[in-house]
Amino acid sequence: GAGVSQSPRYKVTKRGQDVTLRCDPISSHATLYWYQQALGQGPEFLTYFNYEAQPDKSGLPSDRFSAERPEGSISTLTIQRTEQRDSAMYRCASSSIMGDEQYFGPGTRLTVT
Amino acid sequence: AQKVTQAQTEISVVEKEDVTLDCVYETRDTTYYLFWYKQPPSGELVFLIRRNSFDEQNEISGRYSWNFQKSTSSFNFTITASQVVDSAVYFCALPVDYGGATNKLIFGTGTLLAVQP
Repeated sequence: GAGVSQSPRYKVTKRGQDVTLRCDPISSHATLYWYQQALGQGPEFLTYFNYEAQPDKSGLPSDRFSAERPEGSISTLTIQRTEQRDSAMYRCASSSIMGDEQYFGPGTRLTVT
Repeated sequence: AQKVTQAQTEISVVEKEDVTLDCVYETRDTTYYLFWYKQPPSGELVFLIRRNSFDEQNEISGRYSWNFQKSTSSFNFTITASQVVDSAVYFCALPVDYGGATNKLIFGTGTLLAVQP
């Protein structure tokens, strides 16, 4: 596509529920990143994919967080048993090769009540 | 350790003033990139510039200019003749382990720029 898209743009969920966020990167981009951005802070790295491989998931805060990119294009980030502290903006970015600029999607604003 | 510091939390200027946003970084890499991103009130994160550590020449793009000084580990961003549309949060970012396995970005905490009409 022309840019990185994410859905949903906003998600409100109750504590304890599972949520899945979706990212559709720029179609030619091999590398895809997930970041979490708390209010008033810069984005913080969660994990990344190179095609379907996930070489680094060191930023995932707990085992409740997981991500997939099974066919090397669209990716999903799943948070199980959500907690209030998971409330944040979740941003996806893609780049053509590692080292190139990362282009960000509009983000998904997650609110856990 | 890799680190990005944006000491200015908020800056308020009046339209047409020039404003400089500071960015100081720490890295163990000998070659690296630096980035600036803009986050307007609508919330998206917009790429502005990527600069290679080999190139210390100042870069100018319209009203925007960037001053990279390796000796002081700074990569400052100046907006000339600011406009209300420049109001946004600006982030400086540095890849961790450039050229290595991850290339994840470390962001500063951002500087909120408010341009008053």
